[in-house]
Amino acid sequence: KAGVTQTPRYLIKTRGQQVTLSCSPISGHRSVSWYQQTPGQGLQFLFEYFSETQRNKGNFPGRFSGRQFSNSRSEMNVSTLELGDSALYLCASSEISGASTEAFFGQGTRLTVV
Amino acid sequence: AQSVTQPDIHITVSEGASLELRCNYSYGATPYLFWYVQSPGQGLQLLLKYFSGDTLVQGIKGFEAEFKRSQSSFNLRKPSVHWSDAAEYFCAVVPGGGNKLTFGTGTQLKVEL
Repeated sequence: KAGVTQTPRYLIKTRGQQVTLSCSPISGHRSVSWYQQTPGQGLQFLFEYFSETQRNKGNFPGRFSGRQFSNSRSEMNVSTLELGDSALYLCASSEISGASTEAFFGQGTRLTVV
Repeated sequence: AQSVTQPDIHITVSEGASLELRCNYSYGATPYLFWYVQSPGQGLQLLLKYFSGDTLVQGIKGFEAEFKRSQSSFNLRKPSVHWSDAAEYFCAVVPGGGNKLTFGTGTQLKVEL
């Protein structure tokens, strides 16, 4: 089985622009979660999608949004980028929405905002 | 709200020595507990998890962890460290239900040859 695939791996954007990151979960997995990792704040939960519905949301401004498609692929969008949005964005997929299932992480997308 | 504390930011051990990474959590009930490892430029890999039952859990790569309810701890151990174990280790918790992981700040492990 292929693992979790995140594209692109690296991205450089200018302040004020918007960006879309993509995550393809493991085949058969229906839950996708997104995390932001920065040196200052560590790993922080952004949101979780299950069967195209947002189930959980972290404490991030409305500039951060996401969606999930019928094939379970997910995208997250960040609008009006700020320098502080520079981070590694990690996607994790699980079979179902529940802590008894293991979350498999992708390699992440490294976003740099200049 | 639940929280996770990893008191050691950096740990250095010699190859072949034993290792213990500390993790304490704050949560009203027993949460689901995890240890993940992250190599530079990589995503997170699950080492082991605890949901219930036997408080000593075995994971991959020779790691184990012990859940101690009285101390709200879930420390990670390895009897003999290999140079390839050098990485960052994260403890995480999830309240019952849902996939929202709350991570500790991580412990960076350096292995001296």
